[in-house]
Amino acid sequence: GAVVSQHPSRVICKSGTSVKIECRSLDFQATTMFWYRQFPKQSLMLMATSNEGSKATYEQGVEKDKFLINHASLTLSTLTVTSAHPEDSSFYICSARRGQGALREKLFFGSGTQLSVL
Amino acid sequence: AQSVAQPEDQVNVAEGNPLTVKCTYSVSGNPYLFWYVQYPNRGLQFLLKYITGDNLVKGSYGFEAEFNKSQTSFHLKKPSALVSDSALYFCAVSGQQTGANNLFFGTGTRLTVIP
Repeated sequence: GAVVSQHPSRVICKSGTSVKIECRSLDFQATTMFWYRQFPKQSLMLMATSNEGSKATYEQGVEKDKFLINHASLTLSTLTVTSAHPEDSSFYICSARRGQGALREKLFFGSGTQLSVL
Repeated sequence: AQSVAQPEDQVNVAEGNPLTVKCTYSVSGNPYLFWYVQYPNRGLQFLLKYITGDNLVKGSYGFEAEFNKSQTSFHLKKPSALVSDSALYFCAVSGQQTGANNLFFGTGTRLTVIP
């Protein structure tokens, strides 16, 4: 089956630093990837939709200057948390869409990244 | 180890009939359980969750799910299906011992409601 690799799985950083999270589709080309975050005991919240070769579409309330998304190739999207603060500590997960159209489209998930900002 | 199984890749149901999308899980300790839906060209949308309390959980769009600890299941149900319910449905689990992080998703079930 299709595999989506997300790296790193866990990162601890100091307040004010930037952290980059990578999401790779290993055996298929993903024109669209999605980034989510989850707080403990809460549901997953969609942050942005990343389309290859174009600017990401951010959900309402998500700061685009704080959460930089780059989808430079069909197999890689990155999320950079800039000037991270403790309130950014969360679980971040990506997903990659394979195929087009309602009948052929499938979504595959990375394993997530636990970010802890000290 | 945590895991989620959605045994059916595809579920077809006639409009107006009840629907069930199955999910079983494996997790250490007590689980946090979620259902999400994905419509075409969209990211996931949250439907409902079970954390604790009543085993029957009601969520968005008339959906509900029942937590069954003995069968380690969390099947999604709706009494009367609508054509607009046609979408991809994902079950997910995380464990309390991991602080409700490290969410694990099933592979998804495509629901098609036939007019």
